[in-house]
Amino acid sequence: GDSVTQMEGPVTLSEEAFLTINCTYTATGYPSLFWYVQYPGEGLQLLLKATKADDKGSNKGFEATYRKETTSFHLEKGSVQVSDSAVYFCAFNQAGTALIFGKGTTLSVSS
Amino acid sequence: NAGVTQTPKFQVLKTGQSMTLQCAQDMNHEYMSWYRQDPGMGLRLIHYSVGAGITDQGEVPNGYNVSRSTTEDFPLRLLSAAPSQTSVYFCASSSGSKAHNQPQHFGDGTRLSIL
Repeated sequence: GDSVTQMEGPVTLSEEAFLTINCTYTATGYPSLFWYVQYPGEGLQLLLKATKADDKGSNKGFEATYRKETTSFHLEKGSVQVSDSAVYFCAFNQAGTALIFGKGTTLSVSS
Repeated sequence: NAGVTQTPKFQVLKTGQSMTLQCAQDMNHEYMSWYRQDPGMGLRLIHYSVGAGITDQGEVPNGYNVSRSTTEDFPLRLLSAAPSQTSVYFCASSSGSKAHNQPQHFGDGTRLSIL
């Protein structure tokens, strides 16, 4: 069935380090892909999205490219900050359905 | 701009009690949904609605009821609370159920403990 697999955390980095969080999906057709972020004690916020193959979503220095051939949507950031510490969720949806989420990856950035 | 509002933010119940978690959105979104978030499980869909008067089950619907009498409101009812329903509940909305590229907007969550 439809599913999202993302790397398990926690991911612990020093400030200014490079970040990659892997995400792959299993779905029929061509879904839209999303990364959501959840800061402590808050709900989920959309971080970025891509709606078709080879699209690159970007926001706040984060980027992810929709790779249809590898069914992947890896999240990257060149230089993380302490304020990026949060839980990151990869997700997708298709017409007429709700979001399918990965289990989330906790990122902890230290100064 | 309130977005998606959930009440209450925290609740403690005893096993067997019933309650309703409220969700309201002011964006005139057609699509609304309820998720539960449990450690290591991500978010799992409980119920969703594609418009007023239309609801459907998600991945984990047992023990929960929903209704959608207006576009704005989508309450989630726990019929007889069980400890397994201890979780954080999120309501979300988006515009157009068939517009699959539309992001969902989330409320801040309701943290529910069942004793």
